[in-house]
Amino acid sequence: GAGVSQSPSNKVTEKGKDVELRCDPISGHTALYWYRQSLGQGLEFLIYFQGNSAPDKSGLPSDRFSAERTGGSVSTLTIQRTQQEDSAVYLCASSLGRTNHNQPQHFGDGTRLSIL
Amino acid sequence: AQRVTQPEKLLSVFKGAPVELKCNYSYSGSPELFWYVQYSRQRLQLLLRHISRESIKGFTADLNKGETSFHLKKPFAQEEDSAMYYCALTNNAGNMLTFGGGTRLMVKP
Repeated sequence: GAGVSQSPSNKVTEKGKDVELRCDPISGHTALYWYRQSLGQGLEFLIYFQGNSAPDKSGLPSDRFSAERTGGSVSTLTIQRTQQEDSAVYLCASSLGRTNHNQPQHFGDGTRLSIL
Repeated sequence: AQRVTQPEKLLSVFKGAPVELKCNYSYSGSPELFWYVQYSRQRLQLLLRHISRESIKGFTADLNKGETSFHLKKPFAQEEDSAMYYCALTNNAGNMLTFGGGTRLMVKP
């Protein structure tokens, strides 16, 4: 079946604009995660959704970042008033359940965001 | 706070040579450790996890709680092993992965 799907694959925008990144998880996966990979950096956790529970937003770097997950499936990561330091690859992952219950995370191809 | 350290950004070996990619972690609880791999122009994918005690593509990794390490090993490297390797751990809540900075493995012919 299809894996995690992210769109767009590439996004170039001007500083100060808002952007929306989309993630379609694997069907049936209740857990969804967003990560960011900046140039020369490792992967940085942003936010986690599990079923209908309140999301864990502890990794969001500022209040310009927000995410939603509608209907327990598709998720959108929104960055408002983008800054150059937001340039990165944004990765989405999903899993059947919590990762520590032996449910590995499956990653999408990512969205490469470039802020001019 | 949990942390994963991969001390080598780049590891270059010849085909047929043994490979060891180092990973050290710090976590106060009982972590679960993973190795993820990203081949050129492919997505990040799970290679192996310590809980499964498995060998994938000839790679193994043993969790050493005394040394807080989870090094990835392969006795004979192949050219197709060239990729970016990330060590990661998950906390007791299972709500995130904490990744190391990654090691780029280059296997030369």
